[in-house]
Amino acid sequence: AQKVTQAQTEISVVEKEDVTLDCVYETRDTTYYLFWYKQPPSGELVFLIRRNSFDEQNEISGRYSWNFQKSTSSFNFTITASQVVDSAVYFCALKDTNAGKSTFGDGTTLTVKP
Amino acid sequence: DGGITQSPKYLFRKEGQNVTLSCEQNLNHDAMYWYRQDPGQGLRLIYYSQIVNDFQKGDIAEGYSVSREKKESFPLTVTSAQKNPTAFYLCASSIQTGGNQPQHFGDGTRLSIL
Repeated sequence: AQKVTQAQTEISVVEKEDVTLDCVYETRDTTYYLFWYKQPPSGELVFLIRRNSFDEQNEISGRYSWNFQKSTSSFNFTITASQVVDSAVYFCALKDTNAGKSTFGDGTTLTVKP
Repeated sequence: DGGITQSPKYLFRKEGQNVTLSCEQNLNHDAMYWYRQDPGQGLRLIYYSQIVNDFQKGDIAEGYSVSREKKESFPLTVTSAQKNPTAFYLCASSIQTGGNQPQHFGDGTRLSIL
């Protein structure tokens, strides 16, 4: 069975601080996909980033960056120079390649204070 | 603009009553999903559909039913058999179930018991 753990329930930072959201996953699949989604107060989840299991290259996209380490089954997400608009619930998700179902973590609530 | 429309935004159910949540997408996506979100928890999959006239149970299908008669529409019925229906319901779609395609989400329907 697949499992996604986001150990940080809530994080609070002051604007312009960097913040890293942790995600640890479990799967028996050799090929899988990892995602980060943002859920603002409006409720709609918005796709942020994805990573294929066979590509461990870490990247930066604007203020977002991610660190995918297959050896430790982790897919951490960093926001650089956080802004108040980054306040939201962030979900890490694992998608298997066969049934195409996604497993979500319980989410991390990020509060960025001015 | 293309997207997913869920209605109504708020819904109240009386004891013993069935209610139907609407989900429509104009993204021309083959796959559609229904999730349930409880406070402080991640998304749990209720049902998903890979193609018209086909759907599969997710992790918590008991007390729910769906249909997929049209590509654009994937309504969810919460039956009286669902004893604890109070939750936030999210509909999503993706180009297909397989691969690294992210899901696109609607704004959600909040269901409460009267």
